[in-house]
Amino acid sequence: QQQVKQSPQSLIVQKGGISIINCAYENTAFDYFPWYQQFPGKGPALLIAIRPDVSEKKEGRFTISFNKSAKQFSLHIMDSQPGDSATYFCAASMVPSNTGNQFYFGTGTSLTVIP
Amino acid sequence: GAGVSQSPRYKVAKRGQDVALRCDPISGHVSLFWYQQALGQGPEFLTYFQNEAQLDKSGLPSDRFFAERPEGSVSTLKIQRTQQEDSAVYLCASSLMAQRNSPLHFGNGTRLTVT
Repeated sequence: QQQVKQSPQSLIVQKGGISIINCAYENTAFDYFPWYQQFPGKGPALLIAIRPDVSEKKEGRFTISFNKSAKQFSLHIMDSQPGDSATYFCAASMVPSNTGNQFYFGTGTSLTVIP
Repeated sequence: GAGVSQSPRYKVAKRGQDVALRCDPISGHVSLFWYQQALGQGPEFLTYFQNEAQLDKSGLPSDRFFAERPEGSVSTLKIQRTQQEDSAVYLCASSLMAQRNSPLHFGNGTRLTVT
């Protein structure tokens, strides 16, 4: 089953607006939550990541908000720009067992920023 | 180049053919992952190497899938007797260390189409 649930599937935002993408998880063993950005024909690229010991992390126009009790986290893109148009994936990983570490990805959100 | 390199970029195979997909990780990266990304979906974990050791192959969908990394650098994902459901983008990712918060660097993938 899907370990990380992501919504919405697609999002259209006006230039300068705020884009918000949400993710939820069930497995409380997850303790690292990265967000990836993927452009067509390219592999995903790490955007920003958070550990559950903080509730918010900001890097430039990108902010992750984390709610440990609700097992939810979200990506906020402030002052959205047309160049932000891409597919965004949330992901989660847990303390590695002796078999290594594995990342679980959400199903992705296709963001379109209209000029 | 400094990034993860995958070849071929595109592969068309007839059903029943064997294929081999190559990944050149970033030099010195300990961890190497293979993911399968179906159209419009997030990457799904296939297998994980730490140096030359395959520590986790729980995501390989069948015994037709085989991966190796014999010298701890280049990796090959082999699919035998390809089926139409194998059509997807196969992504390789590497990270410098084995820790879960070591950033994943993805290649641009190999798009496999089975006809």
